[in-house]
Amino acid sequence: DVKVTQSSRYLVKRTGEKVFLECVQDMDHENMFWYRQDPGLGLRLIYFSYDVKMKEKGDIPEGYSVSREKKERFSLILESASTNQTSMYLCASSLGQVRGETQYFGPGTRLLVL
Amino acid sequence: GQQVMQIPQYQHVQEGEDFTTYCNSSTTLSNIQWYKQRPGGHPVFLIQLVKSGEVKKQKRLTFQFGEAKKNSSLHITATQTTDVGTYFCAGKDGQNFVFGPGTRLSVLP
Repeated sequence: DVKVTQSSRYLVKRTGEKVFLECVQDMDHENMFWYRQDPGLGLRLIYFSYDVKMKEKGDIPEGYSVSREKKERFSLILESASTNQTSMYLCASSLGQVRGETQYFGPGTRLLVL
Repeated sequence: GQQVMQIPQYQHVQEGEDFTTYCNSSTTLSNIQWYKQRPGGHPVFLIQLVKSGEVKKQKRLTFQFGEAKKNSSLHITATQTTDVGTYFCAGKDGQNFVFGPGTRLSVLP
């Protein structure tokens, strides 16, 4: 079974703090994704990565950055958290464009920025 | 850019009734995926459709990909309380999948 884990289920931070959200997958997947999920807006892609040290902007990258130093780990960074970044953050991974595009999601991190 | 819409946004049904959610894309898709998210859970992959006009079934769920590859539907026959959740479609146009906003299904026992 594919397992995607996220470092925290719930997180409370203050405005201006730097926030790190970690995601780890254990199935040697090439692709990793960060989404945020808000009521009525569905899943919106923040950043994705097709390989180590490679990153591509998604639909809403502003205010976020990412890091992929190892294949299994994809980190989302909020350099200076703001209240409008309060949301559910979901990490996902997939084998790759050739090997398979099914996305496997982690349990999510619910972030509250005060 | 590509937009993926789903209707309805919410649907309340009595247990045993049928349910359908529709997914529409502003562009032609190379393939489409469906996911289910239970309350408090994370999205879980259900199926992928690739061919124009393709129909796939999983027990009481029937998935269809439109002839023009711009729309898709998910139909559940005789809903059960275990069907409760939000159903998302995700359409691939070019490199990435774009998720629709989802249809939240409530099933009253």
